[in-house]
Amino acid sequence: DIQMTQSPSSLSASVGDRVTISCRASQSISTFLNWYQQRPGKAPKLLIFAASSLQSGVPSRFSGSGSGTDFTLTISSLQPEDFATYFCQQSYSTPRTFGLGTKVEIK
Amino acid sequence: QVQLVDSGGGVVQPGRSLRLSCAASGFSFSSYNIHWVRQAPGKGLEWVAVISYDGDNKYYADSVKGRLTISRDKSKNTLYLQMNSLRAEDTAVYYCAREKPDVYYTFDYWGQGTLVTVSS
Repeated sequence: DIQMTQSPSSLSASVGDRVTISCRASQSISTFLNWYQQRPGKAPKLLIFAASSLQSGVPSRFSGSGSGTDFTLTISSLQPEDFATYFCQQSYSTPRTFGLGTKVEIK
Repeated sequence: QVQLVDSGGGVVQPGRSLRLSCAASGFSFSSYNIHWVRQAPGKGLEWVAVISYDGDNKYYADSVKGRLTISRDKSKNTLYLQMNSLRAEDTAVYYCAREKPDVYYTFDYWGQGTLVTVSS
């Protein structure tokens, strides 16, 4: 199974800050990497697919980059509604493993 | 609009069974692979199982193989998860998720989740 390692596990930031979350795969997954946002008590929501493609309806302040084993999710200017937990997931092979998540909290 | 509605969760004793449902609407159900993903309280997301669009192919996480069975009924536009021999570690919110029909196999729509609690 492919292991997905996210860092950091949590971070504190202020509205307007630039935030970067990293995700590393245990083997090359090309660009089969997706990012999801989960607010408390809600289902995950797709933000980025294929490492860098923005899902329809997602604000352009979200962006993704990377290929192979190292990937990054960037929020260019953090907004109040962005305080949530973010998960990366590989869709290169089954089982479709997720990272443990990064919780973005208000500073 | 695309909608997935999860149901069937509840409190069940260890060793007993439960069946979860995921009712789909707003899209051609028979054209999509559908997955189950679970989340234990306060924990991350764990992929559980997938069934192909035609029901012919099914894959499971090792942690549930032999105990959980995924199925679908195209006449009812509904996905199921039959859960047998339940254990405390199966306690989680269970989500169904639709897989986008492209080469990147992304989960583009999710149900709202249904909570399963395994406890005596």
